[in-house]
This record gives sequence, C-alpha cells and structure tokens, in this order.
Amino acid sequence: QSVLTQPPSASGTPGQRGTMSCSGSSSNIGSNPVSWYQQFSGSAPKLLIYNNNQRPSGVPDRFSGSKSGTSASLAISGLQSEDEGDYYCAAWDDSLNGWVFGGGTKLTVL
Amino acid sequence: QLQLQESGSGLVKPSQTLSLTCSVSGVSIDSGYFSWSWIRQPPEKGLEWIGYIYYNGTTFYNPSLKSRVTISVDRSKNQFSLKLTFVTATDTAVYYCVRGLSGSAVTTWGQGTLVRVSS
Repeated sequence: QSVLTQPPSASGTPGQRGTMSCSGSSSNIGSNPVSWYQQFSGSAPKLLIYNNNQRPSGVPDRFSGSKSGTSASLAISGLQSEDEGDYYCAAWDDSLNGWVFGGGTKLTVL
Repeated sequence: QLQLQESGSGLVKPSQTLSLTCSVSGVSIDSGYFSWSWIRQPPEKGLEWIGYIYYNGTTFYNPSLKSRVTISVDRSKNQFSLKLTFVTATDTAVYYCVRGLSGSAVTTWGQGTLVRVSS
C-alpha cells in the first residue's frame, strides 16, 4: 500500500483538460514539495513536475502542478493520445527521511 | 549529460543476496548536493524508495528494508551499489538507480533492470 493516495485511473478525450489528485500527510506533502513522474509502459519514470509546479526543461507547458495543504494535483491541458501512461506523485517524507510515492494513476485518452 | 546504468544478476534464488551496481557517467558522484538512490517497482505495481547514499558515504534506508539493505559507493569507478539479503519472491521488481535532490525530487532515472527471485 502506497503512502500517498492517487486514484487508480483517469480518462479524457483529446483536447480536454485532465486532472489527477494526490493526497498525503503532514510529514510529506504537508511539509515538502511535490514532484510528478510520467511513465510509459516498459520505460523508466521521467520527472514531469518538481517543487510543486516547476517543469524541467523540455516538458511542455500543457503540464502543470499545484499543491494545497496535504494534497496536490497534476493538470494536463489539451490532452493528446501520447499522454497515455502512468503518472506518479512523490514527496520527501520527514519521518522516513526518504521519498514516498503514490500508487500511480493510469491515464487513458479516449 | 548524466546517465545512469544498472547492471547485475537478473535472477536470484530465494534466501540469497541481490546485488546491483549503478554506473554513473556524465557527472562525478562527488559533485555534491545530490543523493544517489535505489528505487524499485514490482510488476504492475507502484514505486518504492529503497535507500540512498551521499558522496561521503552517508546512507539512509527505508525502515521496511533497513535490516536487509546495504548501499555503498565506489568513487574511483563512479559507481554505487545495492545489496539486498535474504530475498523472497516479493523482492521481484524492476530496480532503478536514480539521482535525487534530498527534500525535493528524483531528477534522473536509470533505465531499470528486472530482478526475478525464483528457485
């Protein structure tokens, strides 16, 4: 069972705005920045968002992140078929002194 | 450009020791600021942080695995390694070596290597 809670699935149609949530606690999301990772089948995860809402170089601005209290969310505007994959949230946990992850949300673009 | 590459045995017998090495290229492990971690992902499941090491050898481990895990660094080879003892089938997973910024994000991932625990 993952420390951070994510819905197992999300879906949308091309061009729509998709969102997914991530819930944690005071020892992780409540006190540390959230990061998001994109993973396609058979590949390693890739950093998508860091420090709650920052995009690494090369990540399209269609992807955005936000955080409030002990929850965070990832938004994807203008969904594309190539966005289909698994999305994981993560945060540093002060009790663990390491990273905790969500169970992942599988995004389907219908 | 930073690259991480895992290597090691892909099949380990139950109760034996899993050993993996991560070769780092493009940046020195001694470059500071960053931690060097192992993260694993069982088939069709989520991600689990195993532990990390700093360039000076300081280590931190996930309490759930702490009694079985050792992470070490070989600065002369620009590598860091993972040993997991007394493995069982539940340790079957893709193991990733990663570079991270403690308190922030995992910035760079290796491609991952599948380790199966089976007799």
